[in-house]
Amino acid sequence: GEDVEQSLFLSVREGDSSVINCTYTDSSSTYLYWYKQEPGAGLQLLTYIFSNMDMKQDQRLTVLLNKKDKHLSLRIADTQTGDSAIYFCAESRSGYSTLTFGKGTMLLVSP
Amino acid sequence: EPEVTQTPSHQVTQMGQEVILRCVPISNHLYFYWYRQILGQKVEFLVSFYNNEISEKSEIFDDQFSVERPDGSNFTLKIRSTKLEDSAMYFCASRTETYGYTFGSGTRLTVV
Repeated sequence: GEDVEQSLFLSVREGDSSVINCTYTDSSSTYLYWYKQEPGAGLQLLTYIFSNMDMKQDQRLTVLLNKKDKHLSLRIADTQTGDSAIYFCAESRSGYSTLTFGKGTMLLVSP
Repeated sequence: EPEVTQTPSHQVTQMGQEVILRCVPISNHLYFYWYRQILGQKVEFLVSFYNNEISEKSEIFDDQFSVERPDGSNFTLKIRSTKLEDSAMYFCASRTETYGYTFGSGTRLTVV
């Protein structure tokens, strides 16, 4: 079945860039997502990319997709302490099919 | 901004008891979902619901689970006889015809 893998933990200093990586196995994945979960909060959609794109930029966030290697990354520029959260990579075959999530990467930003 | 609301935020129940987790999806959304996350594990799909019936369910969603949209605004997940391994964070989500789930903040279920 489909699988999504992420590293579990990343620690950066405030002002640095953070890069969170994700790999997936389903070659039929069409939509790839990044969700953010702050303590006690729900899953907040940060950004998404279609499989026919290789990059998407949205303010401080840059998503890179290497479809050949099934590798997705999320870069956060000028990381702030408020970016500390768990970041989930997810994929789906269509915009309305079920999501397959990774375990999440805990990002810790220190001052 | 419209939200998906889940209650309670934390529920403790004894093994074998029935529990109902409640969700109020966004009012113009048509598709409803339950996902869960066991501590330290991945967020897993449980069930999707559209047009007053289950459209898809995972193998986790066995006969102990049921969903209902009793009154046009609430969307509930019932676990008939809870087991220790049902302890997890349960997330409700809804969406319109197009992509873009909106998730609730979750209910943490602890079975003791």
